[in-house]
Parts: sequence; C-alpha cells; structure tokens
Amino acid sequence: DAKTTQPPSMDCAEGRAANLPCNHSTISGNEYVYWYRQIHSQGPQYIIHGLKNNETNEMASLIITEDRKSSTLILPHATLRDTAVYYCIVRESTSGTYKYIFGTGTRLKVLA
Amino acid sequence: NAGVMQNPRHLVRRRGQEARLRCSPMKGHSHVYWYRQLPEEGLKFMVYLQKENIIDESGMPKERFSAEFPKEGPSILRIQQVVRGDSAAYFCASSLDRGRNEQYFGPGTRLTVT
Repeated sequence: DAKTTQPPSMDCAEGRAANLPCNHSTISGNEYVYWYRQIHSQGPQYIIHGLKNNETNEMASLIITEDRKSSTLILPHATLRDTAVYYCIVRESTSGTYKYIFGTGTRLKVLA
Repeated sequence: NAGVMQNPRHLVRRRGQEARLRCSPMKGHSHVYWYRQLPEEGLKFMVYLQKENIIDESGMPKERFSAEFPKEGPSILRIQQVVRGDSAAYFCASSLDRGRNEQYFGPGTRLTVT
C-alpha cells in the first residue's frame, strides 16, 4: 500500500500558486519524497524530490515539514498546462529495491 | 539526449495471443522498472531489472508474465495467452542508479485485448 495520502482533487486559478499537500506520517528516516505528474494518459513526469530540506527547481518547490510527516508541492504560477494528476511518492527501499508505490494522487485542475 | 523509448505505443491482441512490449532506457541507464496502469487507477509496480538480472518481481502476476533485460538490446515484458483483464497501459521507467536517482518514464504501451 502507498505510504502517502493526498486530497483527490483541487482547483487553482491560472496565474496563482498551486499548493498540493501530502501526508506521509510513516516515512522512515532514509526515505525520500518524490513528486510526479501525469498529464492525460502520458507517462509520469518527474517534478522534484527531497529528503528533509526544502528543494526548488525550475518547475516547483518542495516544502517538507521538520518532522517529515508531510510535505507540500508548490507550483508558483500555475498555467492551464499544469492540469494533471499529481502523485506524491515515498520511495520504498526494502531489500535493495527502490520501486515506487503510487497512490491515487491529486487531480489538479487549473481554471482560466 | 533521448528519453525512455517504448514500442509499440499501441498493441491490439486477441485473447490467447502473446504480447511483447519493448523498452529502451535512457542512455547510460542500466536500471529498468515496469509498471501497469488500469483505467482510472494509479500505476502499480511490476518488476525491477538490472542488466541480465531480475532484482524484484514482487508485482508480477505468477503466471503468463515474464520480463528480461539482456546485455544487449531493450528490456522486454512478455505476456503469454493474453486475457481481457490484461488490457492496460504499461509504462517503463529507467534510472541511472538504484540509489537516490529518480526514475524517468517512457510514453507507455497501451495494450488492448479483444
């Protein structure tokens, strides 16, 4: 089962910041948080990942709480092309494998 | 730098036929993961391979499904005697290393079983 919990859907006005929350209360100390998105039925697109520090790249920012039990993905200026399903993933690291366990994600709709 | 390539993009098979799905990882990547996505669901892990080795096949159905990643050539996901329930999108991902490196996904193969 997925280690993450996300709201099923969110709306955001175009040009505003989209803040997508994720709960991962059972995360272990050496497990990373990854964010991907899937537009229509395309292959998931990597966005960002982090361990305990906040991270920023050209696509988004990732804020991880100090206790690491939750995180927020921030798209600073959402556009219509950001409409997608966003997946928050805590990567499993048991037995030397690093598979992703996907949850149901958050369906973000950016409104004009 | 080309991304992960998958072919065919669409595959139609009749019940009982075999389906072969191919995945070429990104250049320099030697770790391959296969995932399956049923309509309106999230992706489900199937198998993780390194060159010539299956590392984790805990998500593979016990029968009819197999995967390989030979020394030369693409990774192959093979489904024998397909049934309608095998209809899904199959995604391949690759990573540079199995450590902290992120996985990059291909466009997927959409399998339809008639």
